[in-house]
Amino acid sequence: DAGVTQSPTHLIKTRGQQVTLRCSPKSGHDTVSWYQQALGQGPQFIFQYYEEEERQRGNFPDRFSGHQFPNYSSELNVNALLLGDSALYLCASSLQGGNTEAFFGQGTRLTVV
Amino acid sequence: RKEVEQDPGPFNVPEGATVAFNCTYSNSASQSFFWYRQDCRKEPKLLMSVYSSGNEDGRFTAQLNRASQYISLLIRDSKLSDSATYLCVVTRTGSARQLTFGSGTQLTVLP
Repeated sequence: DAGVTQSPTHLIKTRGQQVTLRCSPKSGHDTVSWYQQALGQGPQFIFQYYEEEERQRGNFPDRFSGHQFPNYSSELNVNALLLGDSALYLCASSLQGGNTEAFFGQGTRLTVV
Repeated sequence: RKEVEQDPGPFNVPEGATVAFNCTYSNSASQSFFWYRQDCRKEPKLLMSVYSSGNEDGRFTAQLNRASQYISLLIRDSKLSDSATYLCVVTRTGSARQLTFGSGTQLTVLP
């Protein structure tokens, strides 16, 4: 049983560019959350998708957007990249309803130069 | 003020030592509480949930004090493999899937 998978694992982009990160949830999970983890900090919640809709959103600008597909996989898009967007982006999957554990993918390390 | 605050450490302890981590949270509507472990350059993994009655899992004991909005983690008989960053995590009522993390406490267990 594959766990949460994310792609790519590493990425280097230039300021002003756009980036798309991808996540496949753990088998049987229907909810995907995205987190940003800056160096030396804990992960910060970006948003959560369930039934192909954004259900909750953290304190992130509109440059951060997402999508969930019918197969529950998800994308995170960031437009107009800033140097401060350099971070580890983590995807977590869980099952809506009940008190199930959230499982994290290994993350995508984004560097903006 | 951050919603979840932890002592960043680092904590450097010898093998076999007992070490305690503390965490405070500011939102009294916080509903669920966890400790996660994160190895260097890896993803966070759930270590244990935290309950008001306290709970123990082998060498690890977690405690929650809702009145003081305080969470603790005790590690007994530290092993080299316990070296990691320990993240205190809370969720809010109505947002059970939104995890709010502290900045983490770094632990190094020395031989």
